[in-house]
Amino acid sequence: DIQMTQSPASLSASLEEIVTITCKASQGIDDYLSWYQQKPGKSPQLLIYDATSLADGVPSRFSGSRSGTQYSLKISRPQVDDSGIYYCLQSYSTPYTFGAGTKLELK
Amino acid sequence: QVTLKESGPGMLQPSKTLSLTCSFSGFSLSTSGMVVSWIRQPSGKSLEWLAAIDWDGDKYYNPSLKSRLTVSKDTSNTQVFLKITSVDIADTATYYCARSLGSRPDYWGQGVMVTVSS
Repeated sequence: DIQMTQSPASLSASLEEIVTITCKASQGIDDYLSWYQQKPGKSPQLLIYDATSLADGVPSRFSGSRSGTQYSLKISRPQVDDSGIYYCLQSYSTPYTFGAGTKLELK
Repeated sequence: QVTLKESGPGMLQPSKTLSLTCSFSGFSLSTSGMVVSWIRQPSGKSLEWLAAIDWDGDKYYNPSLKSRLTVSKDTSNTQVFLKITSVDIADTATYYCARSLGSRPDYWGQGVMVTVSS
């Protein structure tokens, strides 16, 4: 199985910061990497797919990038509504695997 | 409008078989490239991909549970099913179905909570 090592596990950020969450794949995944936001009691919502493509309706303050096998989600000037848990997912090969999640708190 | 909705028993006893249904609309599972996956999430934990079935009827399973899983679809391509045999407390979770067209699950159901308890 491909392991996705996600960090940090949690972070607290101000509305003026740039928030960065990373996922490192245990092997190459050819950019089959997506990012999701999950709020309490809700299903995950797709933010970024194919590592860098913004999903429909997602604000442009969200962006994705890659360096080697490390993928990053960046939130520029986050809003209070961006609080939640963020997960990465590799869909390069089955079994698809998720990162452990990053809990984001905005202060 | 794409929608998916999971349904299941809510609670069942250990060693029983869990049967889940994903009812969907707004897309056709017969469309080339379409996939419906099952994913679960124990309370407070991360997500685990379980199984998937594609437009061609090909099935994919997580090897860690493969012997216990069966995914199927109905002939009208409007429902997908998941069966998990010999459940135990570790199978307590919220179960989601999700659609993929391409590389990623883009539409998810609201999830159905399943509790395994004696």
